[in-house]
Amino acid sequence: KNEVEQSPQNLTAQEGEFITINCSYSVGISALHWLQQHPGGGIVSLFMLSSGKKKHGRLIATINIQEKHSSLHITASHPRDSAVYICAVDGETSGSRLTFGEGTQLTVNP
Amino acid sequence: NAGVTQTPKFQVLKTGQSMTLQCAQDMNHNSMYWYRQDPGMGLRLIYYSASEGTTDKGEVPNGYNVSRLNKREFSLRLESAAPSQTSVYFCASRSGDGRSSYNSPLHFGNGTRLTVT
Repeated sequence: KNEVEQSPQNLTAQEGEFITINCSYSVGISALHWLQQHPGGGIVSLFMLSSGKKKHGRLIATINIQEKHSSLHITASHPRDSAVYICAVDGETSGSRLTFGEGTQLTVNP
Repeated sequence: NAGVTQTPKFQVLKTGQSMTLQCAQDMNHNSMYWYRQDPGMGLRLIYYSASEGTTDKGEVPNGYNVSRLNKREFSLRLESAAPSQTSVYFCASRSGDGRSSYNSPLHFGNGTRLTVT
């Protein structure tokens, strides 16, 4: 079992829908990251969080440390949100290394 | 602000050839990383450098070597390329050195698509 599991692996939505991507992890962490990889291949950091909730525009990330679970929500989805979303964790004993999930491929149709 | 610059963007090698992937960051970051990304496997760490002068193996170091030339630059070398090294390679950096303040966002280069025939 991977230390970081994402679900679903693939997600197709209609424009305007509310989207949730989940990330579960099995180790103690000091921080969790959400990344976005566009079809062109570039990867950008969306959020880094260690507790509670963060919001940036239509994106919201939440984390429950006790349940070892995080969610990434996209409100009013748009075709430009189509990308791979990747969850990664800073393990408490991993130093500067991160552990990555395999990613969720999101496709938003107009 | 260039961020993380990776070169080249594309490369085709024959089995047994060598090459060096270059990475430079202009954000004064301590930690730098080399990852490979293969379909269905996510990002896997090849080598990393928590600070200038130090390098450590990641999950998949075999067949690779690295050099942290200075604080800005972290290069990845394939001494004798193999078809199994066909992949997309990403360099990344962030502030912190793993001993403190390592909870900082990653900044990625645009990737190098390498094909070994």
